[in-house]
Amino acid sequence: EAGVAQSPRYKIIEKRQSVAFWCNPISGHATLYWYQQILGQGPKLLIQFQNNGVVDDSQLPKDRFSAERLKGVDSTLKIQPAKLEDSAVYLCASSSISGRAYEQYFGPGTRLTVT
Amino acid sequence: DAKTTQPPSMDCAEGRAANLPCNHSTISGNEYVYWYRQIHSQGPQYIIHGLKNNETNEMASLIITEDRKSSTLILPHATLRDTAVYYCIVRTTLIQGAQKLVFGQGTRLTINP
Repeated sequence: EAGVAQSPRYKIIEKRQSVAFWCNPISGHATLYWYQQILGQGPKLLIQFQNNGVVDDSQLPKDRFSAERLKGVDSTLKIQPAKLEDSAVYLCASSSISGRAYEQYFGPGTRLTVT
Repeated sequence: DAKTTQPPSMDCAEGRAANLPCNHSTISGNEYVYWYRQIHSQGPQYIIHGLKNNETNEMASLIITEDRKSSTLILPHATLRDTAVYYCIVRTTLIQGAQKLVFGQGTRLTINP
């Protein structure tokens, strides 16, 4: 079974530029999550989709961050404009709504550096 | 969201049992305790979860106290590959059964040869 795919793995941008991350979840997983992990901290949930609907985006800075999950499969997370404090690893995860619904599968993450 | 408290770091000798404690004194009756670990430069990996009974799988055992205010993750025979940050999480259930995990700082476990 293929895991959660993310791209790019690394990105360096200057502040005020925009950036987009892509995630392809495990096939058949209805729920998709985006997390932000700042160095030395645990992952923080930014947004959670179930199919193509948003379940929770309470921690998403909506003035600069946006995310979409068209057709309920892959997803993109965008930052526009980026700030220095956005430097972090952005993790995508997915889970099923049946069977092993209790387990979130994480991708390798995208390391963003904002200079 | 119920908060968890874990020691920031622990050491364990290779081949010994690693016992990682977690306090979750504000846990609600229907909230589960989850454990994930994160090896350097990788995404977190699910280990085990439980509600009130002790649980065991191929990776670890989870011991939850009777009052559910604390738990212990046990890695029975630690290896160098178990060196990672271990997160104890209390899971919140959202609408339509979706789960929400709130990660804390975790415990950095170092297995020494």
